[in-house]
Amino acid sequence: EIVLTQSPATLSVSPGDGVTLSCRTSQSVGMNLAWYQRRPGQAPRLLIHGASIRAAGVPARFSGSGSGTEFALTVSSLQSEDFAVYYCQHYYDWPYTFGQGTTLEIK
Amino acid sequence: EVQLLESGGTLVRPGGSLRLSCAASGFNFGNYAMTWVRQAPGKGLEWVSDISATGTTIYYEDSVKGRFTISRDNSKNTLYLQMNSLTGDDTAVYYCAKQFGGVSLDAFDYWGQGTLVTVSS
Repeated sequence: EIVLTQSPATLSVSPGDGVTLSCRTSQSVGMNLAWYQRRPGQAPRLLIHGASIRAAGVPARFSGSGSGTEFALTVSSLQSEDFAVYYCQHYYDWPYTFGQGTTLEIK
Repeated sequence: EVQLLESGGTLVRPGGSLRLSCAASGFNFGNYAMTWVRQAPGKGLEWVSDISATGTTIYYEDSVKGRFTISRDNSKNTLYLQMNSLTGDDTAVYYCAKQFGGVSLDAFDYWGQGTLVTVSS
């Protein structure tokens, strides 16, 4: 099983700030990595797939990068609706696994 | 608009069985692989099972193998998860999700709101 480690666990930031979230995999997953946003009480929302491809309707302030074992999600100029939990997930092979999540909270 | 609506979650005793359903609309259901993901209280997201568009390729997470059965009825646009021999570790919100492609090993582009399964005596 491929283990995904996200850092940091929690990030306190102010609206308008930019942030970068990290996801490290225990073995290479190529570009087979996705990022999801989870707002309270809502289903997860796909933000990024293929490590860097924005899903339909996702604002341009969200960008993904990386390959192999090191990945990042960058959010530029945080909006109020961006304060949520973010998960990375690989789909390189079964079982798919998720990171433990990074919480973006308002400073 | 893509919609996935799970149902069937309830309180069930340990050792019991339950069948979850996920009604899909807004897309050609029979063209896409589907997935069940769960989230136990206070825990992260955990993939449970995958089924290809035609239903011929199926995978399970190890802890549910032999107890859970995923299936689909493309004529009814519905995904199922039959859960047997339930334990407290199966307590979770169960989500169905649509994959980008038809043959699995892809990201999940739409998720349902989830249905809560509680296993307790």
